[in-house]
Amino acid sequence: EPEVTQTPSHQVTQMGQEVILRCVPISNHLYFYWYRQILGQKVEFLVSFYNNEISEKSEIFDDQFSVERPDGSNFTLKIRSTKLEDSAMYFCARALTGDTDTQYFGPGTRLTVL
Amino acid sequence: KNQVEQSPQSLIILEGKNCTLQCNYTVSPFSNLRWYKQDTGRGPVSLTIMTFSENTKSNGRYTATLDADTKQSSLHITASQLSDSASYICVVSNTGFQKLVFGTGTRLLVSP
Repeated sequence: EPEVTQTPSHQVTQMGQEVILRCVPISNHLYFYWYRQILGQKVEFLVSFYNNEISEKSEIFDDQFSVERPDGSNFTLKIRSTKLEDSAMYFCARALTGDTDTQYFGPGTRLTVL
Repeated sequence: KNQVEQSPQSLIILEGKNCTLQCNYTVSPFSNLRWYKQDTGRGPVSLTIMTFSENTKSNGRYTATLDADTKQSSLHITASQLSDSASYICVVSNTGFQKLVFGTGTRLLVSP
């Protein structure tokens, strides 16, 4: 199974601060996704990204969130002004192709907002 | 509303025993159904993917079934091992979209 890495593994931040979560790409994977999982709850879709554009986003993905993959480097999720309720595990997932392909999940970044 | 419901919420079985986990969904239009295993504090790991035309798919000791008419799926684990202790998540994908709808998962504990 392709290895998916995320950095950092754990991020602690103060409310109102900006955080950037990173996902290390595999060169032949074209589809990228971010999910979050609040402690004890189910995994929730945030956004999908293909060809350097957002292809779909959920209602959770509001204006405080943004994603980019500058110059084919890390795939990032930015939260501009964190809130207490943003505390969660954030998972990056990648897929070689789209809908019917396996999505490979990273180990996640645990975000704690104080 | 697109939803995925799983049962039971949690399950404890003895090592070596079999078990079956259930998944009901209302996602429409349907593209495929996936079962993932998630160890505590880790990302989900894919076990199976089934499309509309597939009724069953196996991956080692894991066998998933799909009834697209009743919108139900099951995951059967044979000869359970201690390492099977994890959450098992049913995930359904919409046709033409890349968004996955996750169930709440079944937490399985395999006891020695």
